[in-house]
Amino acid sequence: GAGVSQSPSNKVTEKGKDVELRCDPISGHTALYWYRQSLGQGLEFLIYFQGNSAPDKSGLPSDRFSAERTGGSVSTLTIQRTQQEDSAVYLCASSLDGRGHNEQFFGPGTRLTVL
Amino acid sequence: AQSVTQLGSHVSVSEGALVLLRCNYSSSVPPYLFWYVQYPNQGLQLLLKYTTGATLVKGINGFEAEFKKSETSFHLTKPSAHMSDAAEYFCAVSEGDNQGGKLIFGQGTELSVKP
Repeated sequence: GAGVSQSPSNKVTEKGKDVELRCDPISGHTALYWYRQSLGQGLEFLIYFQGNSAPDKSGLPSDRFSAERTGGSVSTLTIQRTQQEDSAVYLCASSLDGRGHNEQFFGPGTRLTVL
Repeated sequence: AQSVTQLGSHVSVSEGALVLLRCNYSSSVPPYLFWYVQYPNQGLQLLLKYTTGATLVKGINGFEAEFKKSETSFHLTKPSAHMSDAAEYFCAVSEGDNQGGKLIFGQGTELSVKP
């Protein structure tokens, strides 16, 4: 079956521009996660969705970052006024539900480069 | 707060040699522990996980890991390395079933396999 997909695979933008990153989770998975992978910080949790609600936004680094999920499916991560330190690979994952013992299935990521 | 420490950012072994990747964790509650592998330009793939029960868990591609509560460790091993095992390996922890399942990752260990 189809796995987690993300688009675009690569995004190059100029400092100060807004970007939107998209995630399509595995069908039927109610839990969705965003992580960021960068050289200096490793893999960091950003936000968790259960259905369309986000009970844990603790990893969002600033108020320039926001995310939404609609229809219990697709999620969009928006970064406003991008900065060079936002350059990273943004990974999306989904799992059957939000219970900790379940496997998270990861997408291939979106590589964001801010010039 | 949870944390994960992976000893050695880079490990190099010869083909056919034992692979040992170290992971220690800190958690205030009984943890769920995971090892993920990331091949170049790909997303993360689950190798194995410990939730409850048997403390020696077997995963894909001949890898296994042992949960040692007294040592707060979850080291990953494989008896005989193959060239195809060259990748980056991440240890991760999540806390219980009621915290949303977010993963806290170690910094990763890059495994090189020499012919």
